[in-house]
Amino acid sequence: NAGVTQTPKFRILKIGQSMTLQCTQDMNHNYMYWYRQDPGMGLKLIYYSVGAGITDKGEVPNGYNVSRSTTEDFPLRLELAAPSQTSVYFCATSGGRGTDTQYFGPGTRLTVL
Amino acid sequence: DAKTTQPPSMDCAEGRAANLPCNHSTISGNEYVYWYRQIHSQGPQYIIHGLKNNETNEMASLIITEDRKSSTLILPHATLRDTAVYYCIGNNYGQNFVFGPGTRLSVLP
Repeated sequence: NAGVTQTPKFRILKIGQSMTLQCTQDMNHNYMYWYRQDPGMGLKLIYYSVGAGITDKGEVPNGYNVSRSTTEDFPLRLELAAPSQTSVYFCATSGGRGTDTQYFGPGTRLTVL
Repeated sequence: DAKTTQPPSMDCAEGRAANLPCNHSTISGNEYVYWYRQIHSQGPQYIIHGLKNNETNEMASLIITEDRKSSTLILPHATLRDTAVYYCIGNNYGQNFVFGPGTRLSVLP
């Protein structure tokens, strides 16, 4: 089992460009999450999904969009990239929400110049 | 979610026990205490969790005080590879995890 995979590992964007961060899991988990982590800080929740077709905003959703068409995939879309979105992005999954262990991917390091 | 408070940093000698404290004085009766760690910008890794009783697994032990207002994560024989940021989280069913800044543990040779 690969667990949670994220692509790309690194990306540099210019201001105003857009991109999609990919997240795929083979754990058959219903719950998936996107976090961002700025230097020296804890993780902040961007969006989460409780199953295919269902998504909801987290703490810092502005500037991002998500979709969940399958159990396995939970892409994160950045429209009109801004320097404030320079961060490391982590995808995570869990079997349940709140009291279930979360499993994290390796992260995508994004720089917006 | 229970607000948790952790020291920003700690040092531990290699081979000794590392005891990482966490205060969660506002924790409710249904909230679990979770510990994760993050090694050098990798994705956070689950360590252990508990509700009332002390817990132990292959990675660590979790000691929760009787009033549940604080807990201690114990790494019994710290190695250099245990150098990481450790997060203590109080959470309940139906809630999302909230990661604070954690404790940066440095294991020294």
